[in-house]
Amino acid sequence: AQSVAQPEDQVNVAEGNPLTVKCTYSVSGNPYLFWYVQYPNRGLQFLLKYITGDNLVKGSYGFEAEFNKSQTSFHLKKPSALVSDSALYFCAVRDLRSSNTGKLIFGQGTTLQVKP
Amino acid sequence: NAGVTQTPKFQVLKTGQSMTLQCAQDMNHEYMSWYRQDPGMGLRLIHYSVGAGITDQGEVPNGYNVSRSTTEDFPLRLLSAAPSQTSVYFCASSYSNGARREAFFGQGTRLTVV
Repeated sequence: AQSVAQPEDQVNVAEGNPLTVKCTYSVSGNPYLFWYVQYPNRGLQFLLKYITGDNLVKGSYGFEAEFNKSQTSFHLKKPSALVSDSALYFCAVRDLRSSNTGKLIFGQGTTLQVKP
Repeated sequence: NAGVTQTPKFQVLKTGQSMTLQCAQDMNHEYMSWYRQDPGMGLRLIHYSVGAGITDQGEVPNGYNVSRSTTEDFPLRLLSAAPSQTSVYFCASSYSNGARREAFFGQGTRLTVV
């Protein structure tokens, strides 16, 4: 079955330190992977995606993600965290099993807390 | 560009009441969908549409109805609200052949059923 897992409910990091939010996936075939961020009382905003090519993907707000096929992971990273990065982060994969290729399968979400 | 617009932002319903959550997009996207967001469960697909006049069920369709009479609009109807439908609802849109493209989300409707 196609699935996405975010093993950490919450990640705490001090401002200025590097951050990592973990995501692993299970799909058949090549994965199309996405990261979204949700700020309090807001909708989901697209951060970055991996479709093909370079395993290191750069996105909005200084975030990047590393695709690792052997470990079936797509971890979100940022070299230096800001307090304003505090939000709920979702990893998602496209469900390509059927004609409903618009469907996204989401992980459970990880709350990132950046402390001053 | 407004993107994806959802109304209302907040709603409180009594058990058994019905209501419609509105969703409109101005990007000419063929694909539209409704998700519900519950703590610890991520987002789950309720219904989706690949174009005007075409709708289908997602993972959790029971208690909800949709229609797609135009490309722009994709309303979600709660037929008889139940406390289990207390959730945050998100509408999303994307290109129909856009498996490689990101989806765009509305700001959400926070629904409480008492």
